[in-house]
Amino acid sequence: GAGVSQSPSNKVTEKGKDVELRCDPISGHTALYWYRQSLGQGLEFLIYFQGNSAPDKSGLPSDRFSAERTGGSVSTLTIQRTQQEDSAVYLCASSPGQGGKNIQYFGAGTRLSVL
Amino acid sequence: GESVGLHLPTLSVQEGDNSIINCAYSNSASDYFIWYKQESGKGPQFIIDIRSNMDKRQGQRVTVLLNKTVKHLSLQIAATQPGDSAVYFCAETPLSNTGKLIFGQGTTLQVKP
Repeated sequence: GAGVSQSPSNKVTEKGKDVELRCDPISGHTALYWYRQSLGQGLEFLIYFQGNSAPDKSGLPSDRFSAERTGGSVSTLTIQRTQQEDSAVYLCASSPGQGGKNIQYFGAGTRLSVL
Repeated sequence: GESVGLHLPTLSVQEGDNSIINCAYSNSASDYFIWYKQESGKGPQFIIDIRSNMDKRQGQRVTVLLNKTVKHLSLQIAATQPGDSAVYFCAETPLSNTGKLIFGQGTTLQVKP
């Protein structure tokens, strides 16, 4: 596709369940980022991939959060044993390269609701 | 610490007027700044960016001003239109890092017809 694609667009889960969120970046973009946006707030950085490696995981809030990227393309963000405070919109962005002038293009996000 | 903040949570303007959205940042090491627009239910959309070696950059109907002395960034929108109604975020990143963006809380722009 032409843009960053995320699925599902909405996810409702019960507390304690695991969830997987998927991101398809723009074709050819080597850098991929995950952010979290709580209601009415700005975006909070979670993790950064360059290719299949994650040199910056500093934003992951706990060890319940993990992410992987395969084939230098699709990425999956996994949240284990979900908690109500995990409810947020999870946004993925990709860019042609890392750093500075490489503009990050965002998907529409996955809205996660933990009941 | 690193933080980017906005002065006003909501800005209401009349259609056709110019809008100015302000942003303050605290990390003097940041040397690249971006403005994003986010409409309801959508991801942030790139508007304009500026490097720290510049004071001003213009796009189509938008201008970004950077004042490094007081660590202030502003977005000016000329002839504001109803389609400009959205939340606007400024973000910063040091060129030396991985490119992760540090976002402010956002300003909601409401355009009155």
